[in-house]
Amino acid sequence: NAGVTQTPKFQVLKTGQSMTLQCAQDMNHEYMSWYRQDPGMGLRLIHYSVGAGITDQGEVPNGYNVSRSTTEDFPLRLLSAAPSQTSVYFCASTIGQGSDQYFGPGTRLTVT
Amino acid sequence: AQSVTQPDIHITVSEGASLELRCNYSYGATPYLFWYVQSPGQGLQLLLKYFSGDTLVQGIKGFEAEFKRSQSSFNLRKPSVHWSDAAEYFCAVAPGGYNKLIFGAGTRLAVHP
Repeated sequence: NAGVTQTPKFQVLKTGQSMTLQCAQDMNHEYMSWYRQDPGMGLRLIHYSVGAGITDQGEVPNGYNVSRSTTEDFPLRLLSAAPSQTSVYFCASTIGQGSDQYFGPGTRLTVT
Repeated sequence: AQSVTQPDIHITVSEGASLELRCNYSYGATPYLFWYVQSPGQGLQLLLKYFSGDTLVQGIKGFEAEFKRSQSSFNLRKPSVHWSDAAEYFCAVAPGGYNKLIFGAGTRLAVHP
């Protein structure tokens, strides 16, 4: 198993550009989530999904869109990047209650 | 609103010394509680978790944590720190669902030889 994979590892965007951060897991996990990590703030939940076709907002959803067309993939879209979205983004997945949550290696995004 | 507080931003200990990292949470009921470790440039690794039962839980790498309901705390401990334990440690709770974690701001641990 590759676990949770994220691409790209690094990305630099200009303000106003759009892009999609990819996340995939091969563990057949129903639950997937996106977090952003900023210095001094820990990780904050952006969006999450409890299964294919089902997504919901987390603590900081503004400026981000998600979709879940398959169990394996959970992409995060930035429609119009802003400098405030400069952060490290982590994708996570779990099979559910009582099981461990697995984190991907992260994507470091810089918006200039 | 639910929240997690890690009062210590930075902690420095000598190798071989004992360690305690503090974590306090705000939540009406007993949530699921977690400790994660993040090495520089890496993702997060789960050290241990508490759901119910015995309030002293054992984790990987020799870590343990104790849940104290009366203090709303879930402090992480290790009796003897190794240089490889230098990392950032995050306490997290899951009050609203197992995959919706609320993290503390983290404690960065430095280990002196």
